[in-house]
Amino acid sequence: GAGVSQSPSNKVTEKGKDVELRCDPISGHTALYWYRQSLGQGLEFLIYFQGNSAPDKSGLPSDRFSAERTGGSVSTLTIQRTQQEDSAVYLCASSSYQVGKDGYTFGSGTRLTVV
Amino acid sequence: DQQVKQNSPSLSVQEGRISILNCDYTNSMFDYFLWYKKYPAEGPTFLISISSIKDKNEDGRFTVFLNKSAKHLSLHIVPSQPGDSAVYFCAAEAGGGADGLTFGKGTHLIIQP
Repeated sequence: GAGVSQSPSNKVTEKGKDVELRCDPISGHTALYWYRQSLGQGLEFLIYFQGNSAPDKSGLPSDRFSAERTGGSVSTLTIQRTQQEDSAVYLCASSSYQVGKDGYTFGSGTRLTVV
Repeated sequence: DQQVKQNSPSLSVQEGRISILNCDYTNSMFDYFLWYKKYPAEGPTFLISISSIKDKNEDGRFTVFLNKSAKHLSLHIVPSQPGDSAVYFCAAEAGGGADGLTFGKGTHLIIQP
C-alpha cells in the first residue's frame, strides 16, 4: 500500500483481556518499529524488526507484551492480560533503511483503551 | 530519566513570524537528530534531520541547528503558517538505529492569525 496501515484504529477492551494490534508496513520496507505514546508523553520505543531477523525484545515493557513479524512484512503486537496502564496510542513505523536517516513512515496508530 | 527534553509543552506564534522550537539531550552517544510533526489522530511525519557532524541543515522554511557542546538543538520555521500548527517532536538516534529513536514529549505549536 501507499502508507503504513494499522488496525484497528481504536480498541476498547476490558482489563485482563488479550488484544492484538496489526501493522502493514510499506511494501519493500525491511525495517519495522513499534512505539507507544501514553497521554502527555513522548513516543516510547518498544521493538524493532529488520527483515526476518529475530528482534531484540528488551524494550518491551513487560512479559505480557510480545510481537512477531511474518514473512518480513506484516507485524502483530500482542498484549496479554491488559492493564489500565497499557492504555496508549500504539504506533508502527517502517523504513527502507536500518537506520532511520530519512525518518520513518508512521502509521496513524491504534488507540487502545483498557477499562 | 529523560534523555531528550522539550521543555516547552506549548508555543504560540503569530502567522508570518519565526517559530523556534527547542530540544535538549543528555546522551552524548546520539549522533543523529530528527524532527517530526504530528497532527491529531495521525501518525508523526518526518520533517527534517541533522547529523551530529553538522551544525545546520535547511529545507525550505525549516532549519535545524545543532549545538553539540551544549547538547541542544532547535527547529526554526520561518515564516510561520497556519498549517504549521501541530505537535512537534524532537528525536535522537544513537548509531545504527536498532534501538529505535528516543523522543521528547513534544511541543504544541499554535500559529495565530
